[in-house]
Amino acid sequence: DIVMTQSPDSLAVSLGERATINCKSSQSVFYRSSNQNHLAWYQQKPGQPPKLLISWASTRAFGVPDRFTGSGSGTDFTLTISSLQAEDVAVYYCQQYYSPPLTFGGGTKVEIK
Amino acid sequence: QVQLVQSGAEVKKPGSSVTVSCKASGGTFGGNAISWVRQAPGQGLEWMGMISPMFGTTNYAQSFQGRFTITADTSTNTAFLEVINLRSDDTAVYFCARGGGVADPTFDSWGQGTLVAVSS
Repeated sequence: DIVMTQSPDSLAVSLGERATINCKSSQSVFYRSSNQNHLAWYQQKPGQPPKLLISWASTRAFGVPDRFTGSGSGTDFTLTISSLQAEDVAVYYCQQYYSPPLTFGGGTKVEIK
Repeated sequence: QVQLVQSGAEVKKPGSSVTVSCKASGGTFGGNAISWVRQAPGQGLEWMGMISPMFGTTNYAQSFQGRFTITADTSTNTAFLEVINLRSDDTAVYFCARGGGVADPTFDSWGQGTLVAVSS
């Protein structure tokens, strides 16, 4: 199974400041044939189901604000929130879909400092 | 826009069984896969497995082989998760989500979640 490791476990950022979340996979999730990284990011607010933010490592889902940016390739990925808003308080998960079983990172809790 | 609507919370005794449903409201499953994801209290997300309702094929994570069965009824656009021989560590919120298949690998729509509490 591909193990997804996120860091940090939690972070506190001031409103308007940048938040950076890292995700590392135990093996590459890059498919040469499609030239795509099979990596997604989700946001989960308390009491709600997760919401897809980014797929293919860097493609924002419909309606996702452009302050959310996904980057990286191979085994190392980053989700950046460029200017943290109050509504961004949530737990963020990365997920690989390179090969089953589909696996998630342990989550990163983002709070307001 | 198809929404996934899940059945309500359940309280079960150890050793019993439970079935959670997930209905596509306002449309059909189409060719999409439906996955089930477990979230234990205060914990992260764990993909359990998926079904392709159109073809009836399933794929399970190894940890969820044996006591867990995913099925779908295309006539009612409803997917089901059955868990038998419940244990206390099955206490969790169970989500259905559209996706997890080869053609639609990301989870772009989720049910609201169903809490299954297992307690004697």
